[in-house]
Amino acid sequence: KQEVTQIPAALSVPEGENLVLNCSFTDSAIYNLQWFRQDPGKGLTSLLLIQSSQREQTSGRLNASLDKSSGRSTLYIAASQPGDSATYLCAVREDNYGQNFVFGPGTRLSVLP
Amino acid sequence: NAGVTQTPKFQVLKTGQSMTLQCAQDMNHEYMSWYRQDPGMGLRLIHYSVGAGITDQGEVPNGYNVSRSTTEDFPLRLLSAAPSQTSVYFCASSYGALVKSTGTEAFFGQGTRLTVV
Repeated sequence: KQEVTQIPAALSVPEGENLVLNCSFTDSAIYNLQWFRQDPGKGLTSLLLIQSSQREQTSGRLNASLDKSSGRSTLYIAASQPGDSATYLCAVREDNYGQNFVFGPGTRLSVLP
Repeated sequence: NAGVTQTPKFQVLKTGQSMTLQCAQDMNHEYMSWYRQDPGMGLRLIHYSVGAGITDQGEVPNGYNVSRSTTEDFPLRLLSAAPSQTSVYFCASSYGALVKSTGTEAFFGQGTRLTVV
């Protein structure tokens, strides 16, 4: 059974710092991996999607990498801002009939002004 | 540009009542699914559908029912609400993994916060 973990569970940094969020998964048979952002009491907003054949994706200050063979992904946030404060979730899409997503528990990020 | 629309946003039910959570998408996505999000448990899959007329159970299907009569709609029915079903429910949709030319990014609704008393 696919399991997804995220480290750290919570992170507090001063504004301007670069930071890395980690995601690990146990089964490398994935179709893709997606990073989401969730603000308190809100839905999920897609940040980056990495196909299984890709190594990384970039959007603005965000960069996500994928090492499928080792079951790891990282989300790099450059020059963090207070507006980046949220919970970040990674989800792997399984490469099987259901094509379902398995989510990690999330990393709660606080960027202090 | 509606995306994935969930209704209602909030609901309070009494134990034993039934209700339907609505989910609609306007992107012609084959795949739709329902998740519940609970503190400390993350998002868990309830039911999913890979196309109209096809539904399957996820990780936590007990107490829930779904149908997929159209591509656009995927309602989730609570048959007899229990306090253990108090949660935030999210609907998601995407193109199927086989439709490689169009990508498989998932889109989520804004959630339905359900309280069962």
